[in-house]
Amino acid sequence: QQQVKQSPQSLIVQKGGISIINCAYENTAFDYFPWYQQFPGKGPALLIAIRPDVSEKKEGRFTISFNKSAKQFSLHIMDSQPGDSATYFCAAGYNNNDMRFGAGTRLTVKP
Amino acid sequence: NAGVTQTPKFQVLKTGQSMTLQCAQDMNHEYMSWYRQDPGMGLRLIHYSVGAGITDQGEVPNGYNVSRSTTEDFPLRLLSAAPSQTSVYFCASSYGSGSGGANVLTFGAGSRLTVL
Repeated sequence: QQQVKQSPQSLIVQKGGISIINCAYENTAFDYFPWYQQFPGKGPALLIAIRPDVSEKKEGRFTISFNKSAKQFSLHIMDSQPGDSATYFCAAGYNNNDMRFGAGTRLTVKP
Repeated sequence: NAGVTQTPKFQVLKTGQSMTLQCAQDMNHEYMSWYRQDPGMGLRLIHYSVGAGITDQGEVPNGYNVSRSTTEDFPLRLLSAAPSQTSVYFCASSYGSGSGGANVLTFGAGSRLTVL
């Protein structure tokens, strides 16, 4: 039973476009929602994270939108670049002992 | 600063064989963990440790053993490998395991294991 559901599985976006990846969670005790970026042959690396006391967090071209009542959060990548092509994982948890990851989204940004 | 180092990068085993995946970190992190990554399943926690001498089970612990004799090292042992353990394994560490996400996970580059 997957506690964090992520969609879409794959996404193709043109250079300069907006990439949107969505996640939904079930456990209302979760208080930390990170997004990880993974390039082929590498381990995941933290991209951006949000706590439930805010509805949006922006870092450069990357924005997390968070809807506590709907138990959903999303990653928006503005002005997508070919270098953004990677697999993205959302996660949710209240400590590292019980961090639950989504299934991942493979993003391809076409030049 | 090497971060989290995993060895080997690739390994092929036959069913029933045993092996150990090594993980070492040089950041003086208290918390270490092992994940497996399978297509369509994301990352699933196998075992974790909040400090030397302390280990606990994660989401999918069956078939795996761990120990934590030092702060730096956290090996993952497969005692009798099965084809279902074919996966990519990631070791991760952080300063601690407290809530609120103050303790960012740093992942190793992964170990790809194939069990025939």
